[in-house]
Amino acid sequence: SYVLTQPPSVSVAPGQTARIACGGDNIGSKSVHWYQQKPGQAPLLVVYDDSDRPSEIPERFSGSNSGNTATLTISGVEVADEADYYCQVWHPLVFGGGTKLTVL
Amino acid sequence: QVHLVESGGGLVKPGGSLRLSCEASGFTFSDPYMHWIRQAPGKGLEWLSSSSGSGRNIYYADSVKGRFTISRDNAKNSLYLQMNDVAVEDTAVYYCARGGSPFDHWGQGTLVTVSS
Repeated sequence: SYVLTQPPSVSVAPGQTARIACGGDNIGSKSVHWYQQKPGQAPLLVVYDDSDRPSEIPERFSGSNSGNTATLTISGVEVADEADYYCQVWHPLVFGGGTKLTVL
Repeated sequence: QVHLVESGGGLVKPGGSLRLSCEASGFTFSDPYMHWIRQAPGKGLEWLSSSSGSGRNIYYADSVKGRFTISRDNAKNSLYLQMNDVAVEDTAVYYCARGGSPFDHWGQGTLVTVSS
């Protein structure tokens, strides 16, 4: 079965850049989506099709995908960005294990 | 705007059954794929099942195949998940979500607790 691997945690200081990786076999050939989930809330789509953003998501959120790694990048991290982040692909439909972003 | 509201969760005994509902509004319900996704306490997201807009194309994760059944009533703008022969490991928040790819809107979830 297809597995998406994410680091359990990433820490960053406010104003810095956070990068969250999502590893998978030849993931660069797939479209990757990213979701943000804050405690007690439903997931929220923040990046889709590798690098597109829903209109309501700040430009600070961006994505890339190549080879065996997709990356969610959050520039100028804010305290409000502290959350769990999940990557997801289709065919097969799987989620990564999630990464907890801590803003120090 | 798009609104998804799950209901039907609660406490159920191992081996029992439960039917979850997801009522949709703010879009043409018969168009998009709809999905069920769950999250066990303290764990990540797990996709369970998907239904095409017409209901003709249906998919299940291996973990629930043969026990859970997805269905939809487009006249009622509603998605359902019939859960049979539940186990303790099925304890989770169950979300419905809209979208072909990606899941662009999610409900707030309904909690299912399986315990004797």
